[in-house]
Amino acid sequence: DAKTTQPPSMDCAEGRAANLPCNHSTISGNEYVYWYRQIHSQGPQYIIHGLKNNETNEMASLIITEDRKSSTLILPHATLRDTAVYYCIAPWWDNQGGKLIFGQGTELSVKP
Amino acid sequence: EADIYQTPRYLVIGTGKKITLECSQTMGHDKMYWYQQDPGMELHLIHYSYGVNSTEKGDLSSESTVSRIRTEHFPLTLESARPSHTSQYLCASSTSGRELFFGEGSRLTVL
Repeated sequence: DAKTTQPPSMDCAEGRAANLPCNHSTISGNEYVYWYRQIHSQGPQYIIHGLKNNETNEMASLIITEDRKSSTLILPHATLRDTAVYYCIAPWWDNQGGKLIFGQGTELSVKP
Repeated sequence: EADIYQTPRYLVIGTGKKITLECSQTMGHDKMYWYQQDPGMELHLIHYSYGVNSTEKGDLSSESTVSRIRTEHFPLTLESARPSHTSQYLCASSTSGRELFFGEGSRLTVL
């Protein structure tokens, strides 16, 4: 797995955009960037993934820099229910499959 | 909605007991995983399987063992539980190994 670095915590006001950064300077050309979140101590939930292009789904947007050394997860209108730990992962795969190694993530607190 | 189930959700047992945590999925996923997480701490991968009769140890050494006799079933066993095994155990499954679907977890307390 490429090493990823995230800030340990962030705050965001309810209704504002939450921008969560992730550095992955050692990522290789075929490694995707994945984002998951874990609310309290529930099982992590998949959010989004990308390789080079920016991606958007109903939950979030993912902006990946052109050199692929960093990315930003954007929650466009954060709600209190978005309070969670967010994990940025760049897993390594072989022809059998792969495994996701979760780091410490960023603890996002959305405040009223 | 993911169909992956873990039982029991909560278990309190005494030291030395043998326990099995069950994990079942109805999605036909080849890949299954066990993670361990202490309160407020990181998730650690302890076991994974790419398919029937395939099991591998994860990045965190664990005294638990797993088996994969059927695609849908990936139980985790502790032969002799100790207080140090007190933790939450999360099971996940996937087709690609990229998008994981997690169960609700099994919280184990060993007295």
